[in-house]
Amino acid sequence: KAGVTQTPRYLIKTRGQQVTLSCSPISGHRSVSWYQQTPGQGLQFLFEYFSETQRNKGNFPGRFSGRQFSNSRSEMNVSTLELGDSALYLCASSKSGTGGGTEAFFGQGTRLTVV
Amino acid sequence: AQSVTQPDIHITVSEGASLELRCNYSYGATPYLFWYVQSPGQGLQLLLKYFSGDTLVQGIKGFEAEFKRSQSSFNLRKPSVHWSDAAEYFCAVGPTGNQFYFGTGTSLTVIP
Repeated sequence: KAGVTQTPRYLIKTRGQQVTLSCSPISGHRSVSWYQQTPGQGLQFLFEYFSETQRNKGNFPGRFSGRQFSNSRSEMNVSTLELGDSALYLCASSKSGTGGGTEAFFGQGTRLTVV
Repeated sequence: AQSVTQPDIHITVSEGASLELRCNYSYGATPYLFWYVQSPGQGLQLLLKYFSGDTLVQGIKGFEAEFKRSQSSFNLRKPSVHWSDAAEYFCAVGPTGNQFYFGTGTSLTVIP
């Protein structure tokens, strides 16, 4: 059974550019969430999608956006990149995402470097 | 508000020694608790989880954790550490779907 696939694994972008990251969840999983991981802030929740609808959103500026497709694949977009956006972006998928205690499976992440 | 505290930023143990990583949480209702491990440059792998029932839960790689409601703790333990256990360990509480609240992590170094 394939795991969560994130592409690309590494990205280098220039300040002011925009970037799109992709996440393919485990087959049959309908919930996808995104996290930003930095040494200073740790793991912070960005947003969660379930059946193409954003259900939860963390405390990030509007430059961070996402979407989910009918096949549950998800993309997140960051516009007008800032140096502080350099981070490891992790995607997690789960079967239903309803209620609490759902086991989430994480991808290997996309390492974004903004220069 | 939900929060997770991992008081130890970095721990060093000798191979073969026992290990305990501390985790304290703040949550209004019965929490769903998790421990994840992250190797350098990798994603997070689930070690174990607590939803309800027996407060001592067993996980993969010989890890276990004990939920203590009175202390709001969910400490991770391993009786004998292996060099391959060197990694970053994250405690998390997951009240709603995939929205986890993570601790800041504990970095484990294993000395041969």
